[in-house]
Amino acid sequence: QQQVKQSPQSLIVQKGGISIINCAYENTAFDYFPWYQQFPGKGPALLIAIRPDVSEKKEGRFTISFNKSAKQFSLHIMDSQPGDSATYFCAARGPQGGSEKLVFGKGTKLT
Amino acid sequence: NAGVTQTPKFRILKIGQSMTLQCAQDMNHNYMYWYRQDPGMGLKLIYYSVGAGITDKGEVPNGYNVSRSTTEDFPLRLELAAPSQTSVYFCASSPSEGGHTGELFFGEGSRLTVL
Repeated sequence: QQQVKQSPQSLIVQKGGISIINCAYENTAFDYFPWYQQFPGKGPALLIAIRPDVSEKKEGRFTISFNKSAKQFSLHIMDSQPGDSATYFCAARGPQGGSEKLVFGKGTKLT
Repeated sequence: NAGVTQTPKFRILKIGQSMTLQCAQDMNHNYMYWYRQDPGMGLKLIYYSVGAGITDKGEVPNGYNVSRSTTEDFPLRLELAAPSQTSVYFCASSPSEGGHTGELFFGEGSRLTVL
């Protein structure tokens, strides 16, 4: 079964600090790795995404680091703000292509 | 912009009852999905559709049925509700393969409790 393992399950960070969430996968055929942000009572929304031919992608205070050889990728949130409090999901798109095979991690609740 | 609209937002069912969760999108997306979200378990794919008239099972399809008669609508049917189906259900859509970015657009969810 295709899996994406996410850690930690929860994270508390001080205002202005750095938040780091890690994900690992096994299927080398995954071709797209998005991160979704979910606020309480809302549906998840795409935050940032990366493809395996890129080692890092930055959008504002959010950065994805991708290590293809280790089959790991992580989300870094710089200068964390109270408005960043949410649940974050990493995901991976399956080898068949198309979003229909998106596999999600179990989520990290950031406070 | 309505995006993906789900109804109802909340529902309580008795064991054995049936119901339909409605999902509609106004973005002309070909792909539509149903996920369920349980605490600490992430999102699990129930069913998906790549276009009107075409549906397929996801990871956890048992106890559910879907249909896709139009591009806009993708209802999820629960037959003989069981306590294990207590969850938050999310409908999502995405553009077709030709122009997609891999992004899913989610509705706000339907919280279902089976007692």
